[in-house]
Amino acid sequence: DADVTQTPRNRITKTGKRIMLECSQTKGHDRMYWYRQDPGLGLRLIYYSFDVKDINKGEISDGYSVSRQAQAKFSLSLESAIPNQTALYFCATSDSYRAQYFGPGTRLLVL
Amino acid sequence: AQKVTQAQTEISVVEKEDVTLDCVYETRDTTYYLFWYKQPPSGELVFLIRRNSFDEQNEISGRYSWNFQKSTSSFNFTITASQVVDSAVYFCALRSAGGTSYGKLTFGQGTILTVHP
Repeated sequence: DADVTQTPRNRITKTGKRIMLECSQTKGHDRMYWYRQDPGLGLRLIYYSFDVKDINKGEISDGYSVSRQAQAKFSLSLESAIPNQTALYFCATSDSYRAQYFGPGTRLLVL
Repeated sequence: AQKVTQAQTEISVVEKEDVTLDCVYETRDTTYYLFWYKQPPSGELVFLIRRNSFDEQNEISGRYSWNFQKSTSSFNFTITASQVVDSAVYFCALRSAGGTSYGKLTFGQGTILTVHP
């Protein structure tokens, strides 16, 4: 079984709709992250959480919110989706100084 | 502020050629970590290597090797005898060990590598 899972893997939604992307991990890591990937821009950090009570904005948090329901779960919400939020979204986890381990990604299309 | 630059947007080689992917970084931190990730066509991100800023030894893993040079702020990645399965997007990333950037990865724009048979 995968250590970091994301649901859904693909999603098509309409402008103005609220959607939630979910991430779960079985690695036992405290740190979790949400990134978005756009062609030619690499990955950019949306939000990160170092434990259940610690949530921080990344470089592109506008239009997004997150919830850390448990150590193993970190959800990303788009309150009112817009077309320029069409992207590939990755969840990642890490423990202390180790590498970040990424989920398989969620492809989101906002029409 | 941290920055990672991968100047090569796309590289195309023929199988069995050697290829080097460049990565240049900027940081004010004295302790930091550098990473390389591979993103194959299937889309997932695969961790390849992590390097500490205080360890400048080059590393070799099979056909992969990494050359870390603090003097030029570079962390280049070489694939020897490339294979079609090496075709992917490769990302270089930087992470600080402390301060307000603690734990956050800064990614380069990625290099698309295509290996032709």
